[in-house]
Amino acid sequence: AQTVTQSQPEMSVQEAETVTLSCTYDTSESDYYLFWYKQPPSRQMILVIRQEAYKQQNATENRFSVNFQKAAKSFSLKISDSQLGDAAMYFCAYAGETSGSRLTFGEGTQLTVNP
Amino acid sequence: AAGVIQSPRHLIKEKRETATLKCYPIPRHDTVYWYQQGPGQDPQFLISFYEKMQSDKGSIPDRFSAQQFSDYHSELNMSSLELGDSALYFCASSPRAGAFYEQYFGPGTRLTVT
Repeated sequence: AQTVTQSQPEMSVQEAETVTLSCTYDTSESDYYLFWYKQPPSRQMILVIRQEAYKQQNATENRFSVNFQKAAKSFSLKISDSQLGDAAMYFCAYAGETSGSRLTFGEGTQLTVNP
Repeated sequence: AAGVIQSPRHLIKEKRETATLKCYPIPRHDTVYWYQQGPGQDPQFLISFYEKMQSDKGSIPDRFSAQQFSDYHSELNMSSLELGDSALYFCASSPRAGAFYEQYFGPGTRLTVT
């Protein structure tokens, strides 16, 4: 079974600074997708960014970018110019070819942004 | 843009009662997923439907059942409720099964079992 691990239960960053959230995963599949979801206090799950495993280029969405290291099975999220609204729980998630489209989530990282 | 709609948003039930959660996917999305998120936990996959047929099944208790209707909305039926069923239940939809399209989540239904 695929597993997703986020080893940082909590992180904090100063407003306007950069922070990196870590995620590792374990899989034997060759075709899969990775995602970062944000869950603010409202508890809404918001897709932040996604990465296709077959693409070598790291995904970028405005201030959010990933560092995808396929061989190391690592998928970190970098948030640049952090804003107060970035404060939330961040979940790394995996969807693979043999597990259908179901998402397997990591434990989450609670991000605090300090003014 | 239209989003996933879930109703009710909050539900309080007593032990051994029955609850029905409803999900209305984004228009033209034919795949629906249900997840359960306990307090302080990550979401856990329960079940999914594609074109009104069950497409995948996760850690869903036998006391729970679900279906997808002809208009693609889905209902999660939960019977003999237990205290441990208290959680946030998410529905998500995507436009196509078998491919790894993004899943768009609804706001969730918070179920409290007393």
